[in-house]
Amino acid sequence: NAGVTQTPKFRVLKTGQSMTLLCAQDMNHEYMYWYRQDPGMGLRLIHYSVGEGTTAKGEVPDGYNVSRLKKQNFLLGLESAAPSQTSVYFCASSYPPKGLNSPLHFGNGTRLTVT
Amino acid sequence: ELKVEQNPLFLSMQEGKNYTIYCNYSTTSDRLYWYRQDPGKSLESLFVLLSNGAVKQEGRLMASLDTKARLSTLHITAAVHDLSATYFCAVPNYGGSQGNLIFGKGTKLSVKP
Repeated sequence: NAGVTQTPKFRVLKTGQSMTLLCAQDMNHEYMYWYRQDPGMGLRLIHYSVGEGTTAKGEVPDGYNVSRLKKQNFLLGLESAAPSQTSVYFCASSYPPKGLNSPLHFGNGTRLTVT
Repeated sequence: ELKVEQNPLFLSMQEGKNYTIYCNYSTTSDRLYWYRQDPGKSLESLFVLLSNGAVKQEGRLMASLDTKARLSTLHITAAVHDLSATYFCAVPNYGGSQGNLIFGKGTKLSVKP
């Protein structure tokens, strides 16, 4: 059982380049999330999805786009990378928060550097 | 707006000592989560606290929740080096985004011999 898988693990981009981070989960979770983690800031929610075909903005959505075309996959896109987007990105999935009370299951993270 | 504050943010302990990490949150919530993160690793769920007065224990860690005070504590008993990690509390943001979790900034715990 793989859980939540993120690819790639590391990436270096130049300012203005674009990329897509991939997240896949095999637990049949409805909810999926993208967080970024910066030193001293904890985790901040970028975007999330409550089911296939849905997406919503979190706390820090600017500069990112997401898509959830299939229930098991949640993609995070950076259209024009900026140095401020240098961070560690975590994908997570869960059952609906008001339902089964399950915690978030996190992927192993993607370390992104924008030069 | 839901705010989640942890203190202390850094904690250096000696092995064998006891200490408590505090997590305060600003709006009503019926549950709270604790996570552990080892350096360079992902987050691992420790506890899910689902009601006022809930107490959960695993090994040397014990977590409790007081929803009236909007306070959770993570108590460490007789610390050992293996407990060195960063600990996060998180609270569902029902008022905002259908329950997405808002995280505290984390408490970095270092246990020294």
